[in-house]
Amino acid sequence: AQSVTQLDSHVSVSEGTPVLLRCNYSSSYSPSLFWYVQHPNKGLQLLLKYTSAATLVKGINGFEAEFKKSETSFHLTKPSAHMSDAAEYFCVVSGTFDYKLSFGAGTTVTVRA
Amino acid sequence: DADVTQTPRNRITKTGKRIMLECSQTKGHDRMYWYRQDPGLGLRLIYYSFDVKDINKGEISDGYSVSRQAQAKFSLSLESAIPNQTALYFCATSQGSTDTQYFGPGTRLTVL
Repeated sequence: AQSVTQLDSHVSVSEGTPVLLRCNYSSSYSPSLFWYVQHPNKGLQLLLKYTSAATLVKGINGFEAEFKKSETSFHLTKPSAHMSDAAEYFCVVSGTFDYKLSFGAGTTVTVRA
Repeated sequence: DADVTQTPRNRITKTGKRIMLECSQTKGHDRMYWYRQDPGLGLRLIYYSFDVKDINKGEISDGYSVSRQAQAKFSLSLESAIPNQTALYFCATSQGSTDTQYFGPGTRLTVL
């Protein structure tokens, strides 16, 4: 069975500084990995998806994630945080055969002015 | 995503009441899912349906039931609501050949 662990429950950054959200995964096979974002009182929006085509995946709103098989990691980064990035972020892994998603517990990002 | 709608958006009910949450989609996807979100636990799968005649239990199906009335509609029912079912509920859809899921805006349910 697949699973993900988000290493930080809360991250606080200053506007204009880099953001790093850490995620480790466990999967028996080559996984599909996702990052979703949830803004307050909103549904989940897909930020980006890894499907083995390239290890560095670019997403929306300036986010990107790097797949590192040797470290079983899929960390999300953004060079310069904006106030609108304040939200909860979920790292997600997909089952290889049934396409069911397994969610991490989430990381809440706070952006200080 | 406006292509996936959920009704109601907020609901307060009492212990023992029956309640139904509804999900509709205009994306033309064949697969639909129900999740619940609790603080610090991420999203957990309640039920999923790969087509109108295919319904499957997820990891936390006890106390819930579902109905797939049409390809575009998937309802979640709580036959006798209890306080620990207080949560945020999400519907999602996907197309059979891919694993990317698209989520509705959520329903906040409070059971008193």
